[in-house]
Amino acid sequence: QKEVEQNSGPLSVPEGAIASLNCTYSDRGSQSFFWYRQYSGKSPELIMFIYSNGDKEDGRFTAQLNKASQYVSLLIRDSQPSDSATYLCAVQTGAGSYQLTFGKGTKLSVIP
Amino acid sequence: GAVVSQHPSRVICKSGTSVKIECRSLDFQATTMFWYRQFPKQSLMLMATSNEGSKATYEQGVEKDKFLINHASLTLSTLTVTSAHPEDSSFYICSTDTQQETQYFGPGTRLLVL
Repeated sequence: QKEVEQNSGPLSVPEGAIASLNCTYSDRGSQSFFWYRQYSGKSPELIMFIYSNGDKEDGRFTAQLNKASQYVSLLIRDSQPSDSATYLCAVQTGAGSYQLTFGKGTKLSVIP
Repeated sequence: GAVVSQHPSRVICKSGTSVKIECRSLDFQATTMFWYRQFPKQSLMLMATSNEGSKATYEQGVEKDKFLINHASLTLSTLTVTSAHPEDSSFYICSTDTQQETQYFGPGTRLLVL
């Protein structure tokens, strides 16, 4: 069974600090990895996706992937109170399959 | 990214009635759409994969006769919750498969069954 694990949190960081969100997955065949942000009562919105080992940066966000360790992370630099939300890690397995398996999410609170 | 709409955004109904939720892909022809359900403080759980012009594929434990999915066009998929009960109260979210990057989600429909 494909599993995606996240620390549920809450993770609290002060404004301006770096928030580090972690995710592990069980299926070694997983090929694509996504981070979504979900505000309370809203649907998820895509932040980043990463396919290859290493880092991928987009503005204040950096996704890191290590397929050997089956680990993916999201760093948020200069955290803002508006970043306070639940962050969902999602994993896509198998070529031609666009189904996503989601983790339970990590709740992030950025303290002003 | 793709733009996805859902209607209604919120619905309250009596137990035993049926509720239809529409999911529209506004700027992309979606061969495949996905339906998720999210209970409070839980993650998204995939209910079914909706394929245009064919039967939906349901995940294990999801009753296909209770959750009817129709994907009659490339821009519209509907989910009908038949004979709804209070335990069906949840946040229902659809998404489109863009076949390029990832899934883009609709705004969700909050269902409350009294």
